[in-house]
Amino acid sequence: GENVEQHPSTLSVQEGDSAVIKCTYSDSASNYFPWYKQELGKRPQLIIDIRSNVGEKKDQRIAVTLNKTAKHFSLHITETQPEDSAVYFCAARRGGAGTALIFGKGTTLSVSS
Amino acid sequence: KAGVTQTPRYLIKTRGQQVTLSCSPISGHRSVSWYQQTPGQGLQFLFEYFSETQRNKGNFPGRFSGRQFSNSRSEMNVSTLELGDSALYLCASSSLGSSDEQFFGPGTRLTVL
Repeated sequence: GENVEQHPSTLSVQEGDSAVIKCTYSDSASNYFPWYKQELGKRPQLIIDIRSNVGEKKDQRIAVTLNKTAKHFSLHITETQPEDSAVYFCAARRGGAGTALIFGKGTTLSVSS
Repeated sequence: KAGVTQTPRYLIKTRGQQVTLSCSPISGHRSVSWYQQTPGQGLQFLFEYFSETQRNKGNFPGRFSGRQFSNSRSEMNVSTLELGDSALYLCASSSLGSSDEQFFGPGTRLTVL
């Protein structure tokens, strides 16, 4: 089955710096890759997603890139702010396999001012 | 629209007991997935239901089961509880077709003593 590896597990940056989180997946049939943000005590919320027919997607300060050949995708946050501090999860979903998501183990991002 | 709701929010049980958790999806959403979240393992997929049928199942023992009703509400049951079952159980609903996004509920925090 699908396996998703996520790195790093913790990331500390200064306000205004960029943050990059990387994930690799094992199943070449996966075609949907969302990123979720979970603040302490809150539910995970989708921040951006990408499908396998797209190489990059941006939404203001957040961008995701996908390399299907290498089977890895990355989250890029620019101009980080203290409110970006949270746990970020990447996930992958196999095409034709319903909505089940296989998640990475998460990255705890700390942005200090 | 009201978001995904889960009841109860907190549960304390003892080893050997069984427990039933409930999830009400967003109105119109027919797919419900369940995930177990623990500090060490992150978010792990349990199972997915669509139109009252289990469509996918993760790698969990048979003590974990679920069902979905005709109104799309879903329940999961854990029998013969073990200490290691202590976790946050999240359900997520999806509309399918119009969007890939899964919307998470607030979770049920289960503590097994």
